[in-house]
Amino acid sequence: DQQVKQNSPSLSVQEGRISILNCDYTNSMFDYFLWYKKYPAEGPTFLISISSIKDKNEDGRFTVFLNKSAKHLSLHIVPSQPGDSAVYFCAAKKTGSQGNLIFGKGTKLSVKP
Amino acid sequence: DAGVIQSPRHEVTEMGQEVTLRCKPISGHNSLFWYRQTMMRGLELLIYFNNNVPIDDSGMPEDRFSAKMPNASFSTLKIQPSEPRDSAVYFCASSPRTGGTEAFFGQGTRLTVV
Repeated sequence: DQQVKQNSPSLSVQEGRISILNCDYTNSMFDYFLWYKKYPAEGPTFLISISSIKDKNEDGRFTVFLNKSAKHLSLHIVPSQPGDSAVYFCAAKKTGSQGNLIFGKGTKLSVKP
Repeated sequence: DAGVIQSPRHEVTEMGQEVTLRCKPISGHNSLFWYRQTMMRGLELLIYFNNNVPIDDSGMPEDRFSAKMPNASFSTLKIQPSEPRDSAVYFCASSPRTGGTEAFFGQGTRLTVV
C-alpha cells in the first residue's frame, strides 16, 4: 500500500507561471517531509523540506505547504523556469525512524518557454 | 566533495549471473541507503546502514539480494543469481548523521538483466 502518493504523473506549465506539485500521505506517523528533484540520468537531489510542526517553508522560488489535517503537502515554484523541468519526488520520514525515506512515484514537470 | 560515487553506471548481464553494485558514500556520512527505482514501484528503499551496521533490510526483495558495508567508505549490493525482473536503476545515498533526513544520492547504476 502506497503511503506517499503523487497522483499527477505529469504537469506542464508556462515559463513565468506558478507550478504546483501535490503529494498526499496516509501515515500519521510521518514527521518530516522532503521534496527531491531528479534530472534524467542523475540521482535525486534534495530541494526543500518541512517539519510536521510547521505549515510552510520557503526557499527562494520554492515553497512547501503542509496541511496535516488533510495529510497533504504541496510544492510551489514561482516563477517557473525551463530549468525546473524535471521529475519531482515527495518523500516522508516516520517519527523515530533512523532516516529512511518513503518516496512517492514522482511528478514530471515540464516548463515551456 | 565528489558526492556519492556509484559504479558501474551501467551494467548489462545475463540471467543467472552474479551482479555486484558498488557505492562510496560522502566522507563523514554515517548513514547509507540502497534504493531501487522501477516504473511500476517508483523509488523503494532496499536496505540502510547506520555506522556500517545494517538497520533495516525489510525492503530487500529476496534472498538473492545481499548488501554489505565493510567500512565507512564502501558498500556493495549483490544479486545472485540475477533475473530479468531485477532490471532497474539502483541508487545509493548517504546522510551525514543517524536520523538525518537529507540524503544525498549517487547517480545510480542502471542494471539490465537479459
